[in-house]
Parts: sequence; C-alpha cells; structure tokens
Amino acid sequence: AQSVTQLDSQVPVFEEAPVELRCNYSSSVSVYLFWYVQYPNQGLQLLLKYLSGSTLVKGINGFEAEFNKSQTSFHLRKPSVHISDTAEYFCAATGSGNTGKLIFGQGTTLQVKP
Amino acid sequence: ETGVTQTPRHLVMGMTNKKSLKCEQHLGHNAMYWYKQSAKKPLELMFVYSLEERVENNSVPSRFSPECPNSSHLFLHLHTLQPEDSALYLCASSQVAKGGNEQFFGPGTRLTVL
Repeated sequence: AQSVTQLDSQVPVFEEAPVELRCNYSSSVSVYLFWYVQYPNQGLQLLLKYLSGSTLVKGINGFEAEFNKSQTSFHLRKPSVHISDTAEYFCAATGSGNTGKLIFGQGTTLQVKP
Repeated sequence: ETGVTQTPRHLVMGMTNKKSLKCEQHLGHNAMYWYKQSAKKPLELMFVYSLEERVENNSVPSRFSPECPNSSHLFLHLHTLQPEDSALYLCASSQVAKGGNEQFFGPGTRLTVL
C-alpha cells in the first residue's frame, strides 16, 4: 500500500537558520508529490509540487524541495526561516485509482524561535 | 468568492442536534473531498466525490452523511454526534482530468460537540 512518512513530528529552529523537513514515500508506481502548509485555524495551502522534470522544485515563501527517486524522498528546505514560517507542514503523494485522492503524511510542526 | 469556501467556520452542537456543513468550490473542479483533522492526529480522508458520484467512503460512521448535489457543492450532514467527533472538518477540490491531482482546501469548519 502507498504511504507517506514524515520523519519528524516537531522541528524547532531559530530565526534565520536553515531548515529541512523530511518526507519519504512508498509507491511502486510513479507519483506526484506535494508539500502543503497549514497556519493555525486555517486550511491547507499548497507550497510546491513535483509532477515531472527537474528534481529541484521551487515553491512559495522561499521553500524548495528535491525529489530523489532512488531514496524515495521529497525533503522540504528553506535556507533562512522567519517567525512567520511557524506552522504545520504536510507532505502528500497521489493515491491509487483515478479519484484525485492524496495520501498525506502525519505532519511536521515547524517552530521558529526568535 | 474565489477558491473553496466553507460555512459555517465554527459550529457548536449538542449530541442530539442535526446540522450540516457546506462547501462550495469556485474553481470548476470535478472532484471534492471531506477530511477530518483532530488534534495530534493526521488528516483523515472521509469521503471522495468524483463527477458527483461518491467513489470512496473510508469507514465513516453513519452519523456523517455526505451529499454532492452538483460539482460545485458538497455537504456533510451531521446527526447524533459524539464528543470525539469534535475536530476541524476540511473540504477540498481538485481537477482529476489534469495531471498532478493538486487539491485546493477550504478554511475548514471547527466543530465542537458537547
């Protein structure tokens, strides 16, 4: 069965430091991969997506992610975080079938400290 | 209105009440989804509608009853809920025909069952 694993439930980091949020997926077929961000009391907002082509994907708010097929990973990175980046981050992959279903990871809470 | 809207944003109900959550998408998409997000738990996919037909029902109790009258609207009818049903309920939509299956989320309805 397909699955998405986010390896860290919480990541504390100081402002202006770099950060990496880890995501691994398992799938026997080609997948599309996504990172979403959720601010308190809001819905999920798409940060970036990998469909095909270049394995380095750039998204909004200075985030980027690298698709690594051999390691089945799609880690999210930002070279310098801001207090406003404090939020919950979700990695997701396309599910089986043709319903547009996504498989979500458990989420990672990014806590940016001053 | 743009994107995906949900009403109400907050709802408090007793265990014997009947209420409905409404979702509307203004994106011309052909698939809609209900998710449940509880504290400290991953996103739970509840229902998937594709072309107005329910294509997935993830063992959701019958006290939750979805309705999709057309491709733009999705309802979640609630009756005789339990306190453990208190959560953030998120609606999303996507265009399944295109590659990528990117889902667009509404802001959610914060439900409290007393």
